[in-house]
Amino acid sequence: QKEVEQNSGPLSVPEGAIASLNCTYSDRGSQSFFWYRQYSGKSPELIMSIYSNGDKEDGRFTAQLNKASQYVSLLIRDSQPSDSATYLCAVERVGGGFKTIFGAGTRLFVKA
Amino acid sequence: DGGITQSPKYLFRKEGQNVTLSCEQNLNHDAMYWYRQDPGQGLRLIYYSQIVNDFQKGDIAEGYSVSREKKESFPLTVTSAQKNPTAFYLCASSSRTSGNPYEQYFGPGTRLTVT
Repeated sequence: QKEVEQNSGPLSVPEGAIASLNCTYSDRGSQSFFWYRQYSGKSPELIMSIYSNGDKEDGRFTAQLNKASQYVSLLIRDSQPSDSATYLCAVERVGGGFKTIFGAGTRLFVKA
Repeated sequence: DGGITQSPKYLFRKEGQNVTLSCEQNLNHDAMYWYRQDPGQGLRLIYYSQIVNDFQKGDIAEGYSVSREKKESFPLTVTSAQKNPTAFYLCASSSRTSGNPYEQYFGPGTRLTVT
């Protein structure tokens, strides 16, 4: 079992719709969770972090965390073509060293 | 502006040659990391360093070496022992003293091609 799993996609949504990206993780001890956006050929950019169960909203982005289910999601409201990118889920790796495990990412296409 | 710089952006080498990738940060971050990314895969940790003059192997350290002589700098050498060096290399940093130490910020990356 992979430590951080994401559906590779591509996920295709029309402009203006809600895009829902999901991530599951295996280590119950993880406390910190992150979403990065990576445009093709570019480096990852941190867009959301979440540490407590529930929802965290930042503009059009909402991160959701359910530690009991070991599940993290990212909702993008009013999706724009500029949101088309790969979204990486990252999870704190328990065990010292301040290391983070990254999922392989979900490719999102927003159709104009 | 604070940030992380990596150079060069593109690097081409012949098989059998060692090559060093540069990573510099002016964020005053203690921790620095090196990852490689292959098409369709997530980031895999090569080496990381939490403080100056100390570093640890990540998940795929074979064929790589690093140094951390200054807080700002964490160069990565890809040696000829690395069997599949062609990849996108990403340097990241995080702060152990302010904010979440797992929150990493990335440089622009170096795309290495070995033929």
